[in-house]
Amino acid sequence: ETGVTQTPRHLVMGMTNKKSLKCEQHLGHNAMYWYKQSAKKPLELMFVYSLEERVENNSVPSRFSPECPNSSHLFLHLHTLQPEDSALYLCASSQDRNIQYFGAGTRLSVL
Amino acid sequence: DQQVKQNSPSLSVQEGRISILNCDYTNSMFDYFLWYKKYPAEGPTFLISISSIKDKNEDGRFTVFLNKSAKHLSLHIVPSQPGDSAVYFCAARLKNSGGYQKVTFGTGTKLQVIP
Repeated sequence: ETGVTQTPRHLVMGMTNKKSLKCEQHLGHNAMYWYKQSAKKPLELMFVYSLEERVENNSVPSRFSPECPNSSHLFLHLHTLQPEDSALYLCASSQDRNIQYFGAGTRLSVL
Repeated sequence: DQQVKQNSPSLSVQEGRISILNCDYTNSMFDYFLWYKKYPAEGPTFLISISSIKDKNEDGRFTVFLNKSAKHLSLHIVPSQPGDSAVYFCAARLKNSGGYQKVTFGTGTKLQVIP
């Protein structure tokens, strides 16, 4: 248990669905991150929230929409995804520039 | 353009022997390097790190070496144990990234320790 919880662990969705991934951290950290991990590729940073403000958006398509309602929760809203969006989505948190703690991830399959 | 590279996708080592995992980087603006370990169905967990002003950091069986001139770092595990079997990610932190940790990850090396 790393103190970062992600739900659901697995998600299968069609290209026309709308779904959301949830991340919750119990560590009192002030920064939260979304990463995408595709097969044989490095972890790709998607979004960063620092003090609940989005500070990074790395050219992520608009079909991915993050939300950070408070310092403990982070969401990734998904709509009209493509099959190539199938991947492991990882959430992490950190206190400032210190070590990131990761959740177990959501394995997403887009049919 | 991959700024952090792990050129060996996999490595097999006998239990009790040394495991050496390698990582190369290209960006001189990295000031801190980290190794993460990942088991199947779990997220990456932090293992060990090294500041760019040092050349070695040791924590129990794990030692990380940094060669700045070669832009190369390595993780040594001695002695290797079957429980060390996992995917190891090298990561590098960008200097002056603001109030959060901006890291670039490598593709990972899958280590198998054979009993």
